Amino acid sequence: DTEVTQTPKHLVMGMTNKKSLKCEQHMGHRAMYWYKQKAKKPPELMFVYSYEKLSINESVPSRFSPECPNSSLLNLHLHALQPEDSALYLCASSDRDRDVTDTQYFGPGTRLTVL
Amino acid sequence: AQKVTQAQTEISVVEKEDVTLDCVYETRDTTYYLFWYKQPPSGELVFLIRRNSFDEQNEISGRYSWNFQKSTSSFNFTITASQVVDSAVYFCALKVSGSRLTFGEGTQLTVNP
Repeated sequence: DTEVTQTPKHLVMGMTNKKSLKCEQHMGHRAMYWYKQKAKKPPELMFVYSYEKLSINESVPSRFSPECPNSSLLNLHLHALQPEDSALYLCASSDRDRDVTDTQYFGPGTRLTVL
Repeated sequence: AQKVTQAQTEISVVEKEDVTLDCVYETRDTTYYLFWYKQPPSGELVFLIRRNSFDEQNEISGRYSWNFQKSTSSFNFTITASQVVDSAVYFCALKVSGSRLTFGEGTQLTVNP
């Protein structure tokens, strides 16, 4: 059983909609991540939160807005997306972020389609 | 800068065959960790193994085994007696201190009945 959960599993939205992706981890980890993955490609890092503070933003467009309400929850707010933003969005968590020994555990992902 | 190369884009085998997935990495750091993840069609990346740069012992877990060779900067993954459920994309990844996780491009493994 995965200890990182994500909702919804699938999301279809229009370019003018506002929606949110949610992630929850049950492992007591201190770092949480958002990745974007296009078909046949590896995941690309978008954001990292460490101790509930945003520590990395990989030059992601402002139409993606992350939020970390507490150490177990991570949201990704979406607004005015483009069709090219359609992808699998993966959430991950880990205990020691920058540490070389750190292992990330991933959730099942949200498949997003932007029409 | 770190780099991970998985030269095999796609591999197709018949059930019960053994298959090896190659991973070659580049880093100037002497301390690093290597990982393998499995991504089935459902999408979740499943952590399989982590190996540090000071431990070159091979590891076996059931039908899975990993061969780490620093001399060739390789961390290869072998599935023995493959099964249809092994069909997935497999990613090799590299972590050094203070840096993000660097993924290879992945290898799509298809196991046919």
